Amino acid sequence: QQQVKQSPQSLIVQKGGISIINCAYENTAFDYFPWYQQFPGKGPALLIAIRPDVSEKKEGRFTISFNKSAKQFSLHIMDSQPGDSATYFCAASMTPWETSGSRLTFGEGTQLTVNP
Amino acid sequence: NAGVTQTPKFRILKIGQSMTLQCAQDMNHNYMYWYRQDPGMGLKLIYYSVGAGITDKGEVPNGYNVSRSTTEDFPLRLELAAPSQTSVYFCASSLGQRNSYEQYFGPGTRLTVT
Repeated sequence: QQQVKQSPQSLIVQKGGISIINCAYENTAFDYFPWYQQFPGKGPALLIAIRPDVSEKKEGRFTISFNKSAKQFSLHIMDSQPGDSATYFCAASMTPWETSGSRLTFGEGTQLTVNP
Repeated sequence: NAGVTQTPKFRILKIGQSMTLQCAQDMNHNYMYWYRQDPGMGLKLIYYSVGAGITDKGEVPNGYNVSRSTTEDFPLRLELAAPSQTSVYFCASSLGQRNSYEQYFGPGTRLTVT
């Protein structure tokens, strides 16, 4: 079964702290791992994504760390800000895109609260 | 460029009623998707389409139907609504080309079945 497990379910961090959200997957055919950010009342939006040929990808304060042998990847938010308060979803997909339809399997979500 | 639009934003249905959730995109994307989002459960794929006239089931298709007669539109039909279909429904689209996997989501439709 294609599953992606995400933890923690909720996370409270102080402003300026580091937020860390973890995901684990089972299907070794997954080769695209995005993180989506969702604000209340809105649809999810792509935040950052990684392919398994690299172990880390950084975009501003957001970093994905990827461990292929452990089948785990994580999102790190440095210098967390109240505006980062949202629900974060990890996801996974597989190529070839022609047959997979670029379908995403999502984790359960993490509700992040950054206190001022 | 409106992106992905969904109507209605909210709807209350009685058990056994039917309705169609509308989804449209103006980005000329080939791939379109329907998800449902339940609290603490993430997003589950209901149906997806890789082009006009081509649809396929996702993880949770029971109780739903879709059609894709044009590139732009991907309506989701609920027949004989049940309380278990109370959820927030998101439509999404992606370009469907190599190295272009990002999915763009609509604002969602909140459906309550009572």
